Amino acid sequence: QVQLVQSGAEVKKPGASVKVSCKTSGYTFTGYYMHWVRQAPGQGPEWMGWINPNSGVTKYAQKFQGRVTMTRDTSINTAYMELSSLNYDDSAVFYCAKDSLYFDPWGQGTPVTVSS
Amino acid sequence: EIVMTQSPATLSVSPGERATLSCRASQSVTSSLAWYQQKPGQAPRLLIYGASTRATDIPARFSGSGSGTEFTLTISSLQSEDFAIYYCQQYISWPRTFGQGTKLEI
Repeated sequence: QVQLVQSGAEVKKPGASVKVSCKTSGYTFTGYYMHWVRQAPGQGPEWMGWINPNSGVTKYAQKFQGRVTMTRDTSINTAYMELSSLNYDDSAVFYCAKDSLYFDPWGQGTPVTVSS
Repeated sequence: EIVMTQSPATLSVSPGERATLSCRASQSVTSSLAWYQQKPGQAPRLLIYGASTRATDIPARFSGSGSGTEFTLTISSLQSEDFAIYYCQQYISWPRTFGQGTKLEI
């Protein structure tokens, strides 16, 4: 079955960067876009952008432009999301989600805490 | 961007009762509307796509309806495992946007 397994929880200082991985299995990695979603505590999910694993082309939400970088490694069927210049408001759970127009399935989530 | 508004924010119901959750889009999304269920500490799970099509392995007590700007998720007879937060999401335009959720509680 399709599985998306994300890297573990992170604690970062303000101004630092975080890189989250999403290892996939059970489907053709290069055949489907991969999305990244942020969910702050008590809030709804917020779409950050997508990457086309086949070409490497990306599209980012305007809110994250300049701070987010999405990449992939097709040799290990893994997508990555790096967010830089972290501030306290970036404390959230970050998810990868396979594209089917809608998002299905999702990874288990990676909690990121920004703390001095 | 399309703003998704869900109501109510919290819905208190009893097991066995029917629950009706609403989602409104700020402009037409035709039928490009999905519903997700999220339990504490878990990722969202797809319930409904295309406004009314149940995802794989989703029980028949979940049903979706609507098109354009007004949508409804109905749970016909609530089970204990249905108490969670439900989100709607449009996927007709970028950026993809979600509602703020409806919390279903006992």
